[in-house]
Amino acid sequence: QKEVEQNSGPLSVPEGAIASLNCTYSDRGSQSFFWYRQYSGKSPELIMFIYSNGDKEDGRFTAQLNKASQYVSLLIRDSQPSDSATYLCAVTQFYFGTGTSLTVIP
Amino acid sequence: GAVVSQHPSWVICKSGTSVKIECRSLDFQATTMFWYRQFPKQSLMLMATSNEGSKATYEQGVEKDKFLINHASLTLSTLTVTSAHPEDSSFYICSASQGTHSNQPQHFGDGTRLSIL
Repeated sequence: QKEVEQNSGPLSVPEGAIASLNCTYSDRGSQSFFWYRQYSGKSPELIMFIYSNGDKEDGRFTAQLNKASQYVSLLIRDSQPSDSATYLCAVTQFYFGTGTSLTVIP
Repeated sequence: GAVVSQHPSWVICKSGTSVKIECRSLDFQATTMFWYRQFPKQSLMLMATSNEGSKATYEQGVEKDKFLINHASLTLSTLTVTSAHPEDSSFYICSASQGTHSNQPQHFGDGTRLSIL
């Protein structure tokens, strides 16, 4: 079984700050990495995915991948209260971490 | 685009009842559909993967006779929880992908909350 580890949090940041979410994975051969946002009682929604080492930016979100360190992160700039949710890291399509709960304080 | 509809959203029924959950891709053809289960404060656990017209592939520990999956067309997959018991109560989520490669992102349905009394 491929392991995906996330700090469960809760992580609290003030509105307007940068939120940094981290994820490590066990399978060195993994090729694709996804970040999903899940509001309480709802299904996950895809934020972004990354396949190559380095950074990938999409609006306020930046995904960072370091395959040598088996580490993927998500940065949320200018955090908004509406960003408060659980963020799930997934390796390939199927293997999800337990999620990090983020609270953005107005 | 890439909308996945899941129905019903909430089911409450007696122990021993069989429950069918439908998952439809509304605006794309879903080569592959996935079924997950999520317990409170836990992550999604993949139950099975289904490809249109073929038998589902179940993850280790998932009873195929308990959780019947049918993927009859490129836009519809169903999960039937047979003879459900209270321990089957959970949040069931389907997702669909437009390709078979593991690099393809998934599009999730809104989930079905199943409560067995």
